[in-house]
Amino acid sequence: QKEVEQNSGPLSVPEGAIASLNCTYSDRGSQSFFWYRQYSGKSPELIMSIYSNGDKEDGRFTAQLNKASQYVSLLIRDSQPSDSATYLCASQMNYGGSQGNLIFGKGTKLSVKP
Amino acid sequence: DAEITQSPRHKITETGRQVTLACHQTWNHNNMFWYRQDLGHGLRLIHYSYGVQDTNKGEVSDGYSVSRSNTEDLPLTLESAASSQTSVYFCASSDRGISTDTQYFGPGTRLTVL
Repeated sequence: QKEVEQNSGPLSVPEGAIASLNCTYSDRGSQSFFWYRQYSGKSPELIMSIYSNGDKEDGRFTAQLNKASQYVSLLIRDSQPSDSATYLCASQMNYGGSQGNLIFGKGTKLSVKP
Repeated sequence: DAEITQSPRHKITETGRQVTLACHQTWNHNNMFWYRQDLGHGLRLIHYSYGVQDTNKGEVSDGYSVSRSNTEDLPLTLESAASSQTSVYFCASSDRGISTDTQYFGPGTRLTVL
């Protein structure tokens, strides 16, 4: 059974702090990883994707991937109350150029306190 | 602008009734997906399609069916609604690419089965 595990939270951080969200995955064949943000009552929206080991930065967001440890993380710098949402981690396998389906974690709820 | 829409946004039905949820995308994406989201379970894949006339079962397909007669639409049918199918349903679509497979989600349908 392919699984993606996340701490459900809630993770509470003060405004301006760094929020660190973590995710582990069970299938070593997974090659692509995604972070989605979901506000309460809304649909998920993609905020970051990462395919190679190391860090990928986009504005205040940094995704980190360590395939040896089967670990993915999302750092949010200078956290804002508007970042308060549930963050979903997803993994995907690639089959010789074709993509497999996404496997989602259950999500981590982040609360940024003013 | 291209988009993905779902209808209805809210639906209340009775046990045993047939229900169809609509999903329409204007991105001309090959891939379309149906998920359900429940507290404690995250997003779970119901059915998916990689193109016209192609449909496949996901993790939780029992009691659901889909058909793909054109690129734009993937309706989800609950053959005989059960209370266990009370959930929020999300449709998503993606383009088949070599290195990326970003899924874009519709706004969701909240279904209540009484």
